[in-house]
Amino acid sequence: DTEVTQTPKHLVMGMTNKKSLKCEQHMGHRAMYWYKQKAKKPPELMFVYSYEKLSINESVPSRFSPECPNSSLLNLHLHALQPEDSALYLCASSQDFGAHYGYTFGSGTRLTVV
Amino acid sequence: AQTVTQSQPEMSVQEAETVTLSCTYDTSESDYYLFWYKQPPSRQMILVIRQEAYKQQNATENRFSVNFQKAAKSFSLKISDSQLGDAAMYFCAYRSMEYGNKLVFGAGTILRVKS
Repeated sequence: DTEVTQTPKHLVMGMTNKKSLKCEQHMGHRAMYWYKQKAKKPPELMFVYSYEKLSINESVPSRFSPECPNSSLLNLHLHALQPEDSALYLCASSQDFGAHYGYTFGSGTRLTVV
Repeated sequence: AQTVTQSQPEMSVQEAETVTLSCTYDTSESDYYLFWYKQPPSRQMILVIRQEAYKQQNATENRFSVNFQKAAKSFSLKISDSQLGDAAMYFCAYRSMEYGNKLVFGAGTILRVKS
């Protein structure tokens, strides 16, 4: 298995809803990442987990809450989002957090906040 | 802080022709990694090619090759024999050798392939 699987592919939620995005990989990778991507823009890093511990939090608002239950799974819990949070949310993984390891990306969750 | 610049917002190429996408970067480091990623409409970011800065030889992957000019801090991507499936957004990216440093992306270039 050489994939990063993200579910759901599309999500529409109201500003008062609570939802979660899920990311899964079975490549034995020990670093996992959440990115936010607006249309025709590069991805912006949100969080990095390395060996199941939060390594980087790019000053993301607390309405986004990451969770890494085990080495294969990464969740992003969403609560009280704003319309400007509508974006493509990409998950990625790499064998380790060193520079020479390439990233494997999922195909993302398209989130719309109404 | 490192920066990556892609000066071409959009490019077009005729099928079977060759196209070059430009990328420059700014860094004070001597060793680092450079990448080209492709993002088709399917949304998944796909690694196209990777270059290690300390290696003089330009990386090549089938129809994709780079022209890495370390002194000029330039890292262009050449796509030969362009195919319709090459149409995508292409991102140039930089990563420091320092453990834990994040990937820095350029703004991207949209490549259109004409049949």
